[in-house]
Amino acid sequence: QSVLTQPPSTSGTPGQRVTISCSGSSSNIGSNFVFWFHQLPGTAPKLLIYRATPRPSGVPDRFSDSKSGTSASLAISGLRSEDEADYYCAAWDDSLSGYVFGTGTKVTVL
Amino acid sequence: EAQLVQSGAEVKKPGESLEISCKGSGYRFSSYCIAWVRQMPGKGLEWMGIICPGDSETRYSPSFQGQVTISADKSISTAYLRWTSLKASDTAMYYCAREEYNDPPGLFGMDVWGQGTTVTVSS
Repeated sequence: QSVLTQPPSTSGTPGQRVTISCSGSSSNIGSNFVFWFHQLPGTAPKLLIYRATPRPSGVPDRFSDSKSGTSASLAISGLRSEDEADYYCAAWDDSLSGYVFGTGTKVTVL
Repeated sequence: EAQLVQSGAEVKKPGESLEISCKGSGYRFSSYCIAWVRQMPGKGLEWMGIICPGDSETRYSPSFQGQVTISADKSISTAYLRWTSLKASDTAMYYCAREEYNDPPGLFGMDVWGQGTTVTVSS
């Protein structure tokens, strides 16, 4: 079950900035780190960005994240064709004692 | 380089049992936990549970508790996901992913993923 809510899709032209929201609750985003993953078609998800430790190697600084209260967001600046993928947020949920994923957002580069 | 390699695709009939595996290499297996994530066809990611081989602690999502069993053999750096009686609704891609140990998990995130194992359950 997805406890974190994301918009189903978003799009932009090359070079634009797009943002993806992730809405949760006090037991997950409100009290724990938020992680962002991207998944290219037919491939395994990859950890994109998170706040606890330095950015994973190979992840460009065009990707940035933020959090406020029980919501988080991922921003992609300078959109490129290779950014076209599905994006998921995730956070540990203290009430469920497990991770919860977002519903996923498909990013399309027009 | 840290790597997780999963066992190959499986085609099973309803009611059959199955165990799939996830072998870690390039890092100290006991210092990390292994999570399992389900992705049904055309759908999003669902966290199933996690095992920390260092202390054998295992946690399950309420959605998967009692439906699957997660285990690990740290002597061969391998984690397992097992079903005793498969259903058609278990048809999905299953990923394993590692997370640096912390109690509770959720501090470091799932930083290395396996390539996925496709499980098809059909009569």
